[in-house]
Amino acid sequence: GQQVMQIPQYQHVQEGEDFTTYCNSSTTLSNIQWYKQRPGGHPVFLIQLVKSGEVKKQKRLTFQFGEAKKNSSLHITATQTTDVGTYFCAGPKAAGNKLTFGGGTRVLVKP
Amino acid sequence: DGGITQSPKYLFRKEGQNVTLSCEQNLNHDAMYWYRQDPGQGLRLIYYSQIVNDFQKGDIAEGYSVSREKKESFPLTVTSAQKNPTAFYLCASSMSRGQDEQYFGPGTRLTVT
Repeated sequence: GQQVMQIPQYQHVQEGEDFTTYCNSSTTLSNIQWYKQRPGGHPVFLIQLVKSGEVKKQKRLTFQFGEAKKNSSLHITATQTTDVGTYFCAGPKAAGNKLTFGGGTRVLVKP
Repeated sequence: DGGITQSPKYLFRKEGQNVTLSCEQNLNHDAMYWYRQDPGQGLRLIYYSQIVNDFQKGDIAEGYSVSREKKESFPLTVTSAQKNPTAFYLCASSMSRGQDEQYFGPGTRLTVT
């Protein structure tokens, strides 16, 4: 079945540094979504990418959808303590009725 | 305010008891979902519903049951048949299709001893 993998599983970042987390699907996706879950909280939708090669920015966050629509990345610049949390990517199953979530990247920021 | 509510936030039960988790939304969304999250893990889909009076099993439906009698409500029952029920349960909704972004409720932390 469809699998969505995220790497790394954990990301320890010094405050002020940049980092990138990656999402890879075993199948082509019609879209990719990113969510953020703060510690003790619930996932919150961040963004959806639909087009091949699409790049979207939200302040210090840059999201990219791969040309083959099987992978995606999230790049955060000048990491802040407010970036702490788990970032999940998710893509629709082939039938389109549900999302498959990746395992998430847990981000810890060192002040 | 529009959103999804789940109650209670924390729930404690004895082993062998069934327990029902509440999920209500006033977003007028057609689709609703239940996920289970274990510590440090991702989201696993339990059940989902695209329309009233219809629902489908997700990846880990064994030991759980749901109903969808109203568009706004999608309660989840954790039965005594669920071997490891202690977890964080998240309810979500989306406008219509599974490809739409999902809005999550605050979750219910269930502890069974």
